[in-house]
Order: sequence, then C-alpha cells, then structure tokens
Amino acid sequence: DVKVTQSSRYLVKRTGEKVFLECVQDMDHENMFWYRQDPGLGLRLIYFSYDVKMKEKGDIPEGYSVSREKKERFSLILESASTNQTSMYLCASSLLGLAGTDTQYFGPGTRLTVL
Amino acid sequence: GENVEQHPSTLSVQEGDSAVIKCTYSDSASNYFPWYKQELGKGPQLIIDIRSNVGEKKDQRIAVTLNKTAKHFSLHITETQPEDSAVYFCAASIGYSTLTFGKGTMLLVSP
Repeated sequence: DVKVTQSSRYLVKRTGEKVFLECVQDMDHENMFWYRQDPGLGLRLIYFSYDVKMKEKGDIPEGYSVSREKKERFSLILESASTNQTSMYLCASSLLGLAGTDTQYFGPGTRLTVL
Repeated sequence: GENVEQHPSTLSVQEGDSAVIKCTYSDSASNYFPWYKQELGKGPQLIIDIRSNVGEKKDQRIAVTLNKTAKHFSLHITETQPEDSAVYFCAASIGYSTLTFGKGTMLLVSP
C-alpha cells in the first residue's frame, strides 16, 4: 500500500514564525502536492512538484514556498505565518501519469493553528 | 481554469436509501473525473473514477455517471450504510494535469 506520512497531526505556531510542514511518500511517485482544506472551500492546491527540485504554483501559492530535495520528500514552508493560514494542510502523491492513472494518495493532514 | 461545482453540500439519508451527489465542470476538455471519500481524521481516498470515453462505471454499491454534453457527472451510492458517512469530493482534470476539486458533500447515513 502507498503510504504518505506528514510530520505532525497538530501544530500551533505564533504569527510571524517560520513554519515547516514535511511530507514523505514511500512509493517512488514522481508527483507530490500540497493542498489546504477549509470548511466550505474544499481542497485548494497550493504547490505541486513533478520531479526533484521542480515546483509549480497551484491556485493559492501566496504566502507559501516549497522544497523538494529528494524524490520522496516534499516540504511546505510558511515564511512568516499569519492567522489566515490557520487550516488543515494535506499532502498527496501520484504517479507521473504514464501508467494511465492519476490517483492521488493523501496523507492524514496537519491541522495548523496560527495564534 | 477549470471550475467544479458540487451539490448538495450536505446530505442526510436513512440506512438502506440511495444517495446521489452531483458535480458540474466548466472546461469541456476535462477528461478524468475521480471521486474521493474523506473519513473523519483521515485524508481523502479515491473510491471510483471515470474517464471521458465512458458513460458509466460501477463498483459494487457505488456508481458514477458522466454526461459530457451537459458537463456533469454524478456519484450514486445504493443501499447506504452508516460507514458510508463521510465527506465526498468530486474532481476533474485535463489529461494528466492537476485535479480541480469540488467543495465537498457531507453525507450522513442514519441507522
């Protein structure tokens, strides 16, 4: 089974802090994604990566950056956390798509609270 | 870009009833339509998907239908059970690009 793990289930940070959310997948997937989930807004894509050291902006990249130094690890960085970044953050991974599948496998999420 | 609308936002049914969740999409080039189920405290998990060259797909109690002309697709769950209670998301994509998700439907199945 594909396993996507996220470094923390719950995180509380102060406004202005630099925050790192880590995600690791164990299935040698090419693609990795970061979403935020808010009530009534569904899943919104922040950033994704289709290869090591490659990154692409999603729909809501403002205030975030990402890092992918190794294939299995994708980090989301909040350079200066703000209260409006309080949310559930979900990491996902998928095959490149050459195998004919776009299935995304999600981690359990990190609930971030910024005070 | 693609826009996916999902209805209803909440759905309550009695155990054994059927449930239907509907989604519409805006980009006629979209050709992949998955449905994800998110149980409490977990990440979403793919339950069924359909591609644009197929009109209907079924897997036991769940089925998805696609109407390309009207640009809408639906999830049908028959003989609902309490364990079907969850949030369901539809999504759409073009080729192997990123997914655009609907806002979700909270399904509650009462015993």
